[in-house]
Amino acid sequence: GQQLNQSPQSMFIQEGEDVSMNCTSSSIFNTWLWYKQDPGEGPVLLIALYKAGELTSNGRLTAQFGITRKDSFLNISASIPSDVGIYFCAGQSPTTDSWGKLQFGAGTQVVVTP
Amino acid sequence: DVKVTQSSRYLVKRTGEKVFLECVQDMDHENMFWYRQDPGLGLRLIYFSYDVKMKEKGDIPEGYSVSREKKERFSLILESASTNQTSMYLCASSASGGAYTQYFGPGTRLTVL
Repeated sequence: GQQLNQSPQSMFIQEGEDVSMNCTSSSIFNTWLWYKQDPGEGPVLLIALYKAGELTSNGRLTAQFGITRKDSFLNISASIPSDVGIYFCAGQSPTTDSWGKLQFGAGTQVVVTP
Repeated sequence: DVKVTQSSRYLVKRTGEKVFLECVQDMDHENMFWYRQDPGLGLRLIYFSYDVKMKEKGDIPEGYSVSREKKERFSLILESASTNQTSMYLCASSASGGAYTQYFGPGTRLTVL
């Protein structure tokens, strides 16, 4: 399936810094999802977005559903060492997928140094 | 709390063996999915199911089959395992009806020797 464009591919940041990553698509989406995956584990859902313009927070995480419905971003504020991992975006397009199939970004590897 | 479980975290099999990977969800979800994840290739959909006994091919179904006899259980079958099927296998489930949020299991790391 088609992959979303997720950037950056990796980030090396210092503890306490803010992190920002985004995903873009060539088609409109009904749903944007953000997951975090630790090594050797399955992805864990962080935030789900269902409406254009929606801004949702989960602790230090904030994500937005772009107004054009073709993009989304995730911010992590005041990073801590346990934020290390791979962050994936995923989306569901009503025009290209049925049955709830998702398209996934390639992931952003976040490394936090003390 | 949502829960997707997979039968094994780590599995080592020999070439030619038949391999069963089991996935169980307790959320009464209609949709279930099997993915494999490989470095540099991301998540790739193998098969999915939108109802009991229903199945649809994903992007890379070759060499795999699936079974869904009960709503909560979705099995992935490797009829004759090959070394190129060494991978991380992830199961996910979602409700039907518009939200499509998928919840993943912890994954099975399969090594085929």
